[in-house]
Amino acid sequence: AQSVTQPDIHITVSEGASLELRCNYSYGATPYLFWYVQSPGQGLQLLLKYFSGDTLVQGIKGFEAEFKRSQSSFNLRKPSVHWSDAAEYFCAVEGGRRALTFGSGTRLQVQP
Amino acid sequence: GAGVSQSPSNKVTEKGKDVELRCDPISGHTALYWYRQSLGQGLEFLIYFQGNSAPDKSGLPSDRFSAERTGGSVSTLTIQRTQQEDSAVYLCASNLGVSTDTQYFGPGTRLTVL
Repeated sequence: AQSVTQPDIHITVSEGASLELRCNYSYGATPYLFWYVQSPGQGLQLLLKYFSGDTLVQGIKGFEAEFKRSQSSFNLRKPSVHWSDAAEYFCAVEGGRRALTFGSGTRLQVQP
Repeated sequence: GAGVSQSPSNKVTEKGKDVELRCDPISGHTALYWYRQSLGQGLEFLIYFQGNSAPDKSGLPSDRFSAERTGGSVSTLTIQRTQQEDSAVYLCASNLGVSTDTQYFGPGTRLTVL
């Protein structure tokens, strides 16, 4: 069965600083990988997804993620964080059963 | 266009009562998913509908939980004899039923069982 680990429960960065959120997955074949963001009181919004091809994928709001098969990772990055990026971020994998398996989430706090 | 809608947005019930949660998927989406988001368990899959196929119920936590999808569109998640551990946000999502297709999530129903 597939699983997702987000090792960082809570991260605080200063506005304008770079950001990297970690995600490790467990799945026997090439997975389909997703990053979602959830702002307070809001539903989940897709930031980006990977299913084949170029291992560096670009998403909305200036986010990107890199799929590294050798490390079973799909880390999310942003070069310069804005205060509006404060939210909870979820990594997810689709391992062949259509439904998503989510990580436990990383809460991002942005300091002015 | 309209996104996924869910009703009610909040539901408070007493332990032992039955509740029904509704999801209206995006028009034309053949696949519909229910997830639960709780403090203790995070985001977990409950059930998946795809067209006229038998639903994937593998995520339902107990036989008190059931769901139906009428006419390939609206879905209702029913929880019978609610327990306090059922308190959570119930999220619905829909897409075209292809693995690479984005799942679009509704705003959720917050269920509180007293």
